[in-house]
Amino acid sequence: DTGVSQDPRHKITKRGQNVTFRCDPISEHNRLYWYRQTLGQGPEFLTYFQNEAQLEKSRLLSDRFSAERPKGSFSTLEIQRTEQGDSAMYLCASSSSGPNYGYTFGSGTRLTVV
Amino acid sequence: GIQVEQSPPDLILQEGANSTLRCNFSDSVNNLQWFHQNPWGQLINLFYIPSGTKQNGRLSATTVATERYSLLYISSSQTTDSGVYFCAVAVGGTASKLTFGTGTRLQVTL
Repeated sequence: DTGVSQDPRHKITKRGQNVTFRCDPISEHNRLYWYRQTLGQGPEFLTYFQNEAQLEKSRLLSDRFSAERPKGSFSTLEIQRTEQGDSAMYLCASSSSGPNYGYTFGSGTRLTVV
Repeated sequence: GIQVEQSPPDLILQEGANSTLRCNFSDSVNNLQWFHQNPWGQLINLFYIPSGTKQNGRLSATTVATERYSLLYISSSQTTDSGVYFCAVAVGGTASKLTFGTGTRLQVTL
C-alpha cells in the first residue's frame, strides 16, 4: 500500500488556463475527498465520492470546478478558466466507510495562478 | 455550520516538555479526527476519536462528546512534533465531510 498519491506536486499556470489534478486513493478505500487549503488556514471541504458517486459538493466549488471518479478508482479535479484566487494547495484524502472513518491524505498539489 | 475552535493558536515548547491542545466544537459530532501537518505540508492522521480516550505512544487524545470538546496530549515533546495540529469534526448525515479548526502551531526547540 503506497498511500494516497497526487499528481502533479506543483503546478504554475497562467490566469484563464485550465488545469487538471489527479488523485489515486488507497485501493481498499471506497471514499475519496478533495479539500483546498490556503496559507495559514485549515483545509476546506470541496467534494467527496463514495465509489463512483459524487455525494456532496461544497458551495465553494463554483461552476468552474468539476471532479470525477470514473469506476470508483482514481479521481480528477479540473479547474477551468483559472483565477488568481484559485491559488492554493489542493488535497486529496481517502477513507473506508467502515467503523473507523480515519482519513489518509495525499501530499497535495500546490497550484499557483500567475 | 459547525464551529471548531482550537487553543492555543501558537505554542513554543522545549524538548521534553508536555502539552495539551484543546478543540471545542459547537454541535454534536459523530466524527472527530486529529491531524498533524508537518513543516513540509503533509497531513498525518493521529486519531479518529468521536468519543472516549485513545493513546498512541507519546500522544493521547480524549473526547468528551457531551461537553463538546476534545484534548490532545503530547508528552516528552520532540523537535519532530513541530508543525500544525488540526482538529476536524463532522456532524449528522454528513459524517464524511470534515470541518477543520484553525489549528495550533507547535514549535519544539532544543
